[in-house]
Amino acid sequence: DAKTTQPPSMDCAEGRAANLPCNHSTISGNEYVYWYRQIHSQGPQYIIHGLKNNETNEMASLIITEDRKSSTLILPHATLRDTAVYYCIVRASGGGADGLTFGKGTHLIIQP
Amino acid sequence: GAVVSQHPSWVICKSGTSVKIECRSLDFQATTMFWYRQFPKQSLMLMATSNEGSKATYEQGVEKDKFLINHASLTLSTLTVTSAHPEDSSFYICSAAPGGYEQYFGPGTRLTVT
Repeated sequence: DAKTTQPPSMDCAEGRAANLPCNHSTISGNEYVYWYRQIHSQGPQYIIHGLKNNETNEMASLIITEDRKSSTLILPHATLRDTAVYYCIVRASGGGADGLTFGKGTHLIIQP
Repeated sequence: GAVVSQHPSWVICKSGTSVKIECRSLDFQATTMFWYRQFPKQSLMLMATSNEGSKATYEQGVEKDKFLINHASLTLSTLTVTSAHPEDSSFYICSAAPGGYEQYFGPGTRLTVT
């Protein structure tokens, strides 16, 4: 799986959009970008994934650059409950059969 | 959505004893489940892949005789930490995939070995 780089921490004001970047310059053609988050002392939670098109669901939007070397997870209206560590993971398609490799992630702190 | 449970949520045991952690997929079947370990202020580390009806596959550096994994049904996998020592104290998390791309994680089990 390709390596990812994320900033270690970010702050965002409550109610504003939180934009979390991820670099994955060595991503290959069949690899997807996944985002998970982990709230303190809980199991990780799946957020969203994409291949090359932008994706949106009830939780977030995922913007992938045209060259696929980076992506941004957008939480449109951050709340205090969005404070968590966010992990960007790149993995091959059909990845349900493979364990995940977690990096250090980004600790997002939502400020009131 | 897909729900994964773990039991117990926390456990304290004495050094040298064994402890079993259960991971259940509540509303889907999972041929494959995964076990992770997370030490304080660190990221999750994959320990092993649990396959229903066959032997688990362990990651490099994980002792298979110490961390026994059984996946007896499509909804249950168990992790037994044998002869536990204080250094085994950690947050153990399982996950399962209902056949799609995403994995669903359990809430985790905090093990403290005294």
